[in-house]
Amino acid sequence: KAGVTQTPRYLIKTRGQQVTLSCSPISGHRSVSWYQQTPGQGLQFLFEYFSETQRNKGNFPGRFSGRQFSNSRSEMNVSTLELGDSALYLCASAVSVGVESPLHFGNGTRLTVT
Amino acid sequence: KNEVEQSPQNLTAQEGEFITINCSYSVGISALHWLQQHPGGGIVSLFMLSSGKKKHGRLIATINIQEKHSSLHITASHPRDSAVYICALPMNYGGSQGNLIFGKGTKLSVKP
Repeated sequence: KAGVTQTPRYLIKTRGQQVTLSCSPISGHRSVSWYQQTPGQGLQFLFEYFSETQRNKGNFPGRFSGRQFSNSRSEMNVSTLELGDSALYLCASAVSVGVESPLHFGNGTRLTVT
Repeated sequence: KNEVEQSPQNLTAQEGEFITINCSYSVGISALHWLQQHPGGGIVSLFMLSSGKKKHGRLIATINIQEKHSSLHITASHPRDSAVYICALPMNYGGSQGNLIFGKGTKLSVKP
């Protein structure tokens, strides 16, 4: 069974641009969560989606948005990029949203904003 | 005060040593995750536990809900165990598990 796939693996963007990251969950998984990891703040929760609905959102500005499609694939978008958005963005999928469902993480997308 | 505190932040061990990483938290939780992150960035979920103790190979995780404390033990450590170990808690008690708060991680280096 294929694992969680994140594309692209690496991305370099310029301040002010926007970026879209993709996450394909494990087949059969309907829950996708996104996280940002920076050296200063560590891992922080961005969003959680289940069956195309955003269930939870972390404490991030409106420039960060996401969505989930009917095939459970998810995308996140960051508009008007800032230098501080440089980070490793990770997604994780699970069968459902309950705490009994183990999380499976992707390898992340490393975004560099110059 | 951080809601999730891990100790130690850094740990260097010799191959074969018994290792303990601690996680203390201040919020009510329904479960706790132990995660492993290798230098490439990918994260592997090692354990998810809500009570007692779980064992997988040389790894053992324990949790004491009343004392709000969890430990991750590695027996007979090996250089391939070198990684960052992170504990994570669901933010909404009894709620969805993707909404996590994370400890700052323990960087473990096992020397041969």
